[in-house]
Amino acid sequence: QKEVEQNSGPLSVPEGAIASLNCTYSDRGSQSFFWYRQYSGKSPELIMFIYSNGDKEDGRFTAQLNKASQYVSLLIRDSQPSDSATYLCAVNTGFQKLVFGTGTRLLVSP
Amino acid sequence: GAVVSQHPSWVICKSGTSVKIECRSLDFQATTMFWYRQFPKQSLMLMATSNEGSKATYEQGVEKDKFLINHASLTLSTLTVTSAHPEDSSFYICSTTGGIYGYTFGSGTRLTVV
Repeated sequence: QKEVEQNSGPLSVPEGAIASLNCTYSDRGSQSFFWYRQYSGKSPELIMFIYSNGDKEDGRFTAQLNKASQYVSLLIRDSQPSDSATYLCAVNTGFQKLVFGTGTRLLVSP
Repeated sequence: GAVVSQHPSWVICKSGTSVKIECRSLDFQATTMFWYRQFPKQSLMLMATSNEGSKATYEQGVEKDKFLINHASLTLSTLTVTSAHPEDSSFYICSTTGGIYGYTFGSGTRLTVV
């Protein structure tokens, strides 16, 4: 079992819709969770991080964490074509190491 | 905010030669640097963790004699790919734990070995 799992997609949504990206992790001791956006050929850029169970909102983005289910998600409201990218879920499993999922490719059509 | 400058952004080298990639923290001290490798359509895979002034810790399956990491100062870490081969062609990214959001990434280096 992979440590961090994501559906590779692509996830296709129309402009203005809500995109829902999901991630599961295997290490129950994981303490912090990150969502990164990566455009092709570029380095990841941080969208959000979350430490506590529940929801965390930042603009059009909402991260949701459920430690009991070992599940973290990212909602993107009012999706824009510029949101089309690969979204990486990353988990801090200890000793500051980040373990990344394989990423979900999001396509937002105009 | 914290910035990590990574150079070169891309490099093409001949098989058997060595390539050095540099990561500099511009406005903070990077005690720890992580080096990742990303193959096309795959995720970032941690190669090694380096701490300033000490030997790097390599992840399982990563050849330490092939991927030499030097972290001699708090602002500079380097990764040298020795005797590069086509299968080493990849996107290499450094990251440090500096910055207000915990992790700051370099801009990445696209290595192509021909």
